[in-house]
Amino acid sequence: KAGVTQTPRYLIKTRGQQVTLSCSPISGHRSVSWYQQTPGQGLQFLFEYFSETQRNKGNFPGRFSGRQFSNSRSEMNVSTLELGDSALYLCASSLEGLLGEPQHFGDGTRLSIL
Amino acid sequence: TQLLEQSPQFLSIQEGENLTVYCNSSSVFSSLQWYRQEPGEGPVLLVTVVTGGEVKKLKRLTFQFGDARKDSSLHITAAQPGDTGLYLCAGRSNYQLIWGAGTKLIIKP
Repeated sequence: KAGVTQTPRYLIKTRGQQVTLSCSPISGHRSVSWYQQTPGQGLQFLFEYFSETQRNKGNFPGRFSGRQFSNSRSEMNVSTLELGDSALYLCASSLEGLLGEPQHFGDGTRLSIL
Repeated sequence: TQLLEQSPQFLSIQEGENLTVYCNSSSVFSSLQWYRQEPGEGPVLLVTVVTGGEVKKLKRLTFQFGDARKDSSLHITAAQPGDTGLYLCAGRSNYQLIWGAGTKLIIKP
């Protein structure tokens, strides 16, 4: 069974640009969550999508947005990139996103802003 | 704001030693998960604890959920180099996981 796939693995951008990251969940999983990981800060929750709808959102500015398609694949977009956006972006999928349900993570997209 | 504090932040020990890492909060969680993350990879779920006072064992790893469901510990017996990684705890609250910053563990051969 294929795991969660994130593309691209690495990305270098400059300030002011925008970027789109992609996440393909495990087949059959309908919930996709996005996280930002930086050293010392741990994982910060961005948002969760379920059945093409954003169900939960973390405390990030509106520059961070996402969407989910009918096949459960999800994309995350960051506009007007800032140096502080440099991080590892992880997506995780689960069956329904229910309490206590295990999340399966991809290997992340490493975003560097110059 | 719910927070999960993990301690220590960093731990480097010799192979064969025992260790305990902690995950503490002032908030109550309905469940708590432990993950291990290796460099260049995403976190992988090790265990989920749900009941206050619950103890779960995974080979040489022992996980405990506090009676009040506010804290948890991970004890590793006879650590091996393969245990090296970032250990993360995450408490479930509504539809979100509240994450600790992690304990970076290095086991030297």
